[in-house]
Amino acid sequence: DIQLTQSPSFLSASVGDRVTITCRASQGVSSLVAWYQQKPGKAPKLLIYAASTLQSGVPSRFSGSGSGTEFTLTISSLQPEDFATYYCQQLNSYPITFGGGTKVEIK
Amino acid sequence: EVQLVESGGGLVQPGGSLRLSCAASGFTFSDHYMDWVRQAPGKGLEWVGRIRNKANSYTTEYAASVKGRFTISRDDSKDSLYLQMNSLKTEDTAVYYCGRLNTGSGYVPYWGQGTLVTVSS
Repeated sequence: DIQLTQSPSFLSASVGDRVTITCRASQGVSSLVAWYQQKPGKAPKLLIYAASTLQSGVPSRFSGSGSGTEFTLTISSLQPEDFATYYCQQLNSYPITFGGGTKVEIK
Repeated sequence: EVQLVESGGGLVQPGGSLRLSCAASGFTFSDHYMDWVRQAPGKGLEWVGRIRNKANSYTTEYAASVKGRFTISRDDSKDSLYLQMNSLKTEDTAVYYCGRLNTGSGYVPYWGQGTLVTVSS
């Protein structure tokens, strides 16, 4: 199985900060990576797919990059509604796997 | 508007069975692959499995943790997805979400609100 390791697992930041979350795969997954945002008690929300394509309706302050084994999610200017947990997911091979999550909290 | 509504969650004893349903509306259900994902209390997301559409013979994929115990099925005439869970373990306690894949990709932009399954004696 492909393991996804997210770092950091916890991040404390202020409104307006630039935030970067990293996802490393235990083997190459091409660009078959998605990023989700999840708020407490809610379903995950797709932000980025194919490593760098912004899902329709998602603000442009979110961006994704990477290929192979290393991927990043960047929030260019953190907004109050962005405080949440973020997960990467690989779809290169079964079983599909998620990273452990990165919780972004208000500093 | 795409809507997915899960139901069937509840309290079940270890070793028991439960069947979850996911009612779909707002799109042509029969065209799409569907996923189940779960989240144990206070934990991260875990992919459970996938069912493909009729054009792909309704084939399925499962996570190792549920293979042989869980079965995903669908009834396109009822726009419904199912998750039959047998031999339940305490570690199956989670909120279960159904999701609809985009046509031609493995990405899931649509999720239901989830249904809680608690396995406890």
